[in-house]
Amino acid sequence: ETGVTQSPTHLIKTRGQQVTLRCSSQSGHNTVSWYQQALGQGPQFIFQYYREEENGRGNFPPRFSGLQFPNYSSELNVNALELDDSALYLCASSSGLRRETQYFGPGTRLLVL
Amino acid sequence: DAKTTQPTSMDCAEGRAANLPCNHSTISGNEYVYWYRQIHSQGPQYIIHGLKNNETNEMASLIITEDRKSSTLILPHATLRDTAVYYCIVYTGFQKLVFGTGTRLLVSP
Repeated sequence: ETGVTQSPTHLIKTRGQQVTLRCSSQSGHNTVSWYQQALGQGPQFIFQYYREEENGRGNFPPRFSGLQFPNYSSELNVNALELDDSALYLCASSSGLRRETQYFGPGTRLLVL
Repeated sequence: DAKTTQPTSMDCAEGRAANLPCNHSTISGNEYVYWYRQIHSQGPQYIIHGLKNNETNEMASLIITEDRKSSTLILPHATLRDTAVYYCIVYTGFQKLVFGTGTRLLVSP
């Protein structure tokens, strides 16, 4: 069984640029959630995708957007990067919408200069 | 906001049991207690979860009080590799996990 994978592992961008982060869910999982973790803080929920549809969103602006593909992999896109977007971005997958444990990938470390 | 309260940090000697407390006095009947840990700069790792009965797996034991207002995660024989931030989360299983700041556990030789 393959776990959750994310790419790239590290990324450096400059303010104003756009970035795409990728996540492959664990085998058999159809739900992907994205989280942002600033240094020294706990992860914060960005949004969740279930069967290619957005299923809930946290307190993040519209420049944070996502996609889920038929194979349940997912992308997180961030436009007009700001310095405060520097963080560890985490993807978690689960096997359904109701009371299912979320399993996390290793994360993508984004640095915005 | 997180619905749990945890100590900021704890220390444990290698080989001893680590007992990590968590208060969740406003937990609802349909909310489970989940524990994750995060080793430096890695993704959170699921440890265990429970509703009202005590639970045990290969990693840890979870003791939930009868009134469900608090719980304790027990690592029976802590090793240096158990040094991490431990998050206690109450979760319906629906949608988002709400992380607090967790407990930083330091296991020393």
